[in-house]
Amino acid sequence: AQKITQTQPGMFVQEKEAVTLDCTYDTSDPSYGLFWYKQPSSGEMIFLIYQGSYDQQNATEGRYSLNFQKARKSANLVISASQLGDSAMYFCAMRETLSGGYNKLIFGAGTRLAVHP
Amino acid sequence: DAGVTQSPTHLIKTRGQQVTLRCSPKSGHDTVSWYQQALGQGPQFIFQYYEEEERQRGNFPDRFSGHQFPNYSSELNVNALLLGDSALYLCASSRPPGGGNTIYFGEGSWLTVV
Repeated sequence: AQKITQTQPGMFVQEKEAVTLDCTYDTSDPSYGLFWYKQPSSGEMIFLIYQGSYDQQNATEGRYSLNFQKARKSANLVISASQLGDSAMYFCAMRETLSGGYNKLIFGAGTRLAVHP
Repeated sequence: DAGVTQSPTHLIKTRGQQVTLRCSPKSGHDTVSWYQQALGQGPQFIFQYYEEEERQRGNFPDRFSGHQFPNYSSELNVNALLLGDSALYLCASSRPPGGGNTIYFGEGSWLTVV
């Protein structure tokens, strides 16, 4: 069964420093997609970055980059130059392809990031 | 460009009652999925709608039902509410339904069952 594992329940980082949030996944499908979402206390799930299994280069979106190591089945999120507004819950998710070509997202348990001034 | 919108934002219901949550997908998206997120957990897939039909369903009882309208908006209905149904309900829209990296969520509907 497909699974996402986030082993860090909570992380602390100093403002302006970089932080890495870990994510490992398990799947037997050759084609899959990996997502990172940010969820502030308001509840909205904010899309950050996407990596496809066939993408040759690691994805980057502004201060967010994805350290994709396919052989190790890891897709860690790197946030550079942390800001106070980055304090939130972060979820790693994998797109599972279902019958008929439809899909769903499988989420990890999340990592709560706290940015300190 | 409007993103995914959900209503209501917060609601409180009594055990045994029924609730309807609503979602309008992002412009250009035609597939809607619903997720339940219990406190302290990651979201769990409930079901997905495309072309006004339920296409896939997660491990949720029949008390959870839905509908998609011709304008792609969707409703989630939960009957005979239980205390355990208290959660954040998230709507996600995407296009196409089978893949891609365009999966966006709304702000969610916080449901409290008392």
